[in-house]
Amino acid sequence: DSGVTQTPKHLITATGQRVTLRCSPRSGDLSVYWYQQSLDQGLQFLIQYYNGEERAKGNILERFSAQQFPDLHSELNLSSLELGDSALYFCASSVGLAGDLYNEQFFGPGTRLTVL
Amino acid sequence: EDQVTQSPEALRLQEGESSSLNCSYTVSGLRGLFWYRQDPGKGPEFLFTLYSAGEEKEKERLKATLTKKESFLHITAPKPEDSATYLCAVQAGDSNYQLIWGAGTKLIIKP
Repeated sequence: DSGVTQTPKHLITATGQRVTLRCSPRSGDLSVYWYQQSLDQGLQFLIQYYNGEERAKGNILERFSAQQFPDLHSELNLSSLELGDSALYFCASSVGLAGDLYNEQFFGPGTRLTVL
Repeated sequence: EDQVTQSPEALRLQEGESSSLNCSYTVSGLRGLFWYRQDPGKGPEFLFTLYSAGEEKEKERLKATLTKKESFLHITAPKPEDSATYLCAVQAGDSNYQLIWGAGTKLIIKP
């Protein structure tokens, strides 16, 4: 158990809908990272927050957005869902900023999103 | 362009048969190289971080090494429970220190 929690575990929805994925980081971690993992693309970095502020963006679609709240939990919002958005979504957390030494990322169990 | 390539894509071994997985990278200004293990449908589990060429780290039957162009994950006398996908990721300054991931090596250990 990494100490990172994600809810829900599974989500099944229809095209065009909007969903929210939730992540609670390990105790003491200030950074939260969101990743998408699909069968054909591997792990893709989406976005990083540090202590409530957005710090880096990766291959995140405009239909997707995220935020980190004062209690450090984070939410990833996916809207206007398409079939191709079906994937595993992982949250990871770390103590410091991405460029810090000894700043390993610890992953949650993921949310499996299925868009029908 | 920063790139991480893992080989082989898949590896089948008999229990007790030692082998190595490779992770080669082309990045500017490597900050760190990370190894993770991922079981099907689960989140990646952190194994090792390597920061400089010549560095080695060990954990049970696993040993990770780093050169200037690649890293190896050596598996000694593996057991069926070592079966998983092993992921390599690198962190470099020119990618804003975000992890760049390889596609992974799927390791299957047969009893």
